[in-house]
Amino acid sequence: GAVVSQHPSWVICKSGTSVKIECRSLDFQATTMFWYRQFPKQSLMLMATSNEGSKATYEQGVEKDKFLINHASLTLSTLTVTSAHPEDSSFYICSATSLRLAKNIQYFGAGTRLSVL
Amino acid sequence: DAKTTQPPSMDCAEGRAANLPCNHSTISGNEYVYWYRQIHSQGPQYIIHGLKNNETNEMASLIITEDRKSSTLILPHATLRDTAVYYCIAETSGSRLTFGEGTQLTVNP
Repeated sequence: GAVVSQHPSWVICKSGTSVKIECRSLDFQATTMFWYRQFPKQSLMLMATSNEGSKATYEQGVEKDKFLINHASLTLSTLTVTSAHPEDSSFYICSATSLRLAKNIQYFGAGTRLSVL
Repeated sequence: DAKTTQPPSMDCAEGRAANLPCNHSTISGNEYVYWYRQIHSQGPQYIIHGLKNNETNEMASLIITEDRKSSTLILPHATLRDTAVYYCIAETSGSRLTFGEGTQLTVNP
C-alpha cells in the first residue's frame, strides 16, 4: 500500500516550453503533497507544499509563477514548469502524506528527470 | 528543525549489520527522528522513525540514546540492494522534511 506514482519519469523539452509533471497517490487519499527538486550530487530541496483545494505554499526562493502547482483532488497534484530553461534541468520528486495512514510519513514518487535543451 | 550530522560515507560487507550513526544534539522534545533512504536515481523511501523509544520494523531498527542527542539506524543483514544514501531527519511532524547530505552506504559483496 501507499504507492505514489509520478509521470513522466523522464522528459526532454526545448527551452521556452512548459512541462507538466503528474503525481498520483494510487491507493490512498493524500492530505498533503510535496514537491522537491534535486540537482546532481546534491540533496533534495523542498519546493512547495500543497493541500487539496488550496493554494500551494512555496519555499523561499522558489518562483510560484514559474513552478505552477495544482492540487485539484485528493489523489492528484501537478507541477508545471513554465517557460523552462536549461537551469531548470533537474530531478523533480513528489511525495504525499495521509492522516489516515501511518502518521507523519511521506511516501515518495520515483521522480521525474527533466532535461531542458 | 534540529540539525543532524551524519558521516558522508560508510562501507559494509554483505550479510553483516550496517550501523549508521546520526547526531542531533539540538533536538527538541517534540521532534521525531526519521530515516529515509534514496537509491540512485529513485525517490526516497521511508525506513523508520521514533521519538524516544527504540523502534524496529521489517526493514531496520532504530536505537535512540537516552538523552536523544544521537541515534543509530541498524540494518541487521545488509544486502547489495541496501546500497543507498541514508538520510536522518529530525522533525516535529514529518510534514516538512529537510534533507541534509546523508550517508552514502555502500554494501560490498
